[in-house]
Amino acid sequence: SYVLTQSPSVSVAPGQTARITCGGSNIGGKSVHWYQQKPGQAPLLVVSDDSDRPSGIPERLSGSNSGNTATLTISRVEAGDEADYYCQVWESNSDHYVFGSGTKVTVL
Amino acid sequence: QVQLQESGPGLVKPSETLSLTCTMSGDSRRWYYWSWIRQSAGKGLDWIGRIDISGNTNYNTSFKSRVTMSVDTSKKQSSLKLSSVTAADTAVYYCATISTAGNFDYWGHGTLVTVSS
Repeated sequence: SYVLTQSPSVSVAPGQTARITCGGSNIGGKSVHWYQQKPGQAPLLVVSDDSDRPSGIPERLSGSNSGNTATLTISRVEAGDEADYYCQVWESNSDHYVFGSGTKVTVL
Repeated sequence: QVQLQESGPGLVKPSETLSLTCTMSGDSRRWYYWSWIRQSAGKGLDWIGRIDISGNTNYNTSFKSRVTMSVDTSKKQSSLKLSSVTAADTAVYYCATISTAGNFDYWGHGTLVTVSS
């Protein structure tokens, strides 16, 4: 089965840039979606199709995808960005949806 | 806009069947595929399966032998049944719609199901 690998945690100071990576075999050939989940809340789609932002998501959140790594970048980090972030793909061979293990972003 | 609401018992005994319902309200044009996803305490997201409005299903092989999904179009509801539950099935269960891009664009608030005698 297809596996997505994320680092468990990232720490960043306010105003700095956080980069969250999602590794997978030839992930650049797939569409990657990113979710933000705050404690006690359902996940929220923040990036779709590698780099598209749904309505209402700030431009500070951006995505890219190439080779074996997809990246969610949070620029000018704010305290409100502290959350767990998950990547997700649809794996066509199995017709399954796969989530990464999640990355906890801590704002120092 | 779409709103999703999960409902069902919050406590299930080991070896019994977990049964949940997801009710959709709002813009029903969005309703073609939806999924069930669960999250154990402090853990990540596990995709359980998908169902479309015709009742066609696709289950995660990890759950395949125990899971059944159904749909009631007249009530705009989807149901999840997970049989032979154990403590490992204790989790928050979410329903979500699946967009044409293959992501989960609308989510319910989730419902906690505890498996315990």
